[in-house]
Amino acid sequence: DAGVTQSPTHLIKTRGQHVTLRCSPISGHKSVSWYQQVLGQGPQFIFQYYEKEERGRGNFPDRFSARQFPNYSSELNVNALLLGDSALYLCASSTGSNSNQPQHFGDGTRLSIL
Amino acid sequence: DQQVKQNSPSLSVQEGRISILNCDYTNSMFDYFLWYKKYPAEGPTFLISISSIKDKNEDGRFTVFLNKSAKHLSLHIVPSQPGDSAVYFCAARVQGAQKLVFGQGTRLTINP
Repeated sequence: DAGVTQSPTHLIKTRGQHVTLRCSPISGHKSVSWYQQVLGQGPQFIFQYYEKEERGRGNFPDRFSARQFPNYSSELNVNALLLGDSALYLCASSTGSNSNQPQHFGDGTRLSIL
Repeated sequence: DQQVKQNSPSLSVQEGRISILNCDYTNSMFDYFLWYKKYPAEGPTFLISISSIKDKNEDGRFTVFLNKSAKHLSLHIVPSQPGDSAVYFCAARVQGAQKLVFGQGTRLTINP
């Protein structure tokens, strides 16, 4: 079975540009979450979507937005990119909104801002 | 405000011995705890979890212990193998939410 897939794997942008990252969850998973991981730290929660609705938002500026599609795939959008947005962006999927089931992660998109 | 802390950035253990990774938390509303392993250039891989109503969960070589009174979590790996060399993250979930709060990670190195 395919795991969580993310695209692209790497991306280089310049300050002020915008970016769209994509995620396909494990088949049957309806919940998708996004995390940002900077070097030397653990992942930080950005958003969670369940059944196409936003169910949680972390402490990130409004430049960050996301959505979930009817097939449960998801996009993370970041506008007006800053140097500090350089990070590994991870997508995780799980079965339900609040079940004791683990989140499973993709391999991430490495975003570099020049 | 670091709600989940892994105070050891690195740990070195001899192959075959026990590896013990520790994690402390401050939020009493956490109800589910997880350990993930991460290799370079890969996403975190789920290892084992424990609900706050339990104090121990075992899966093969991996055992997680939860001490709620001390707000302390530990992962035991027995016996340690070279393939266990990776960065280990503990994570906690707030009751009623799906958001995971992660520690900073501990780099485990298994020496032959």
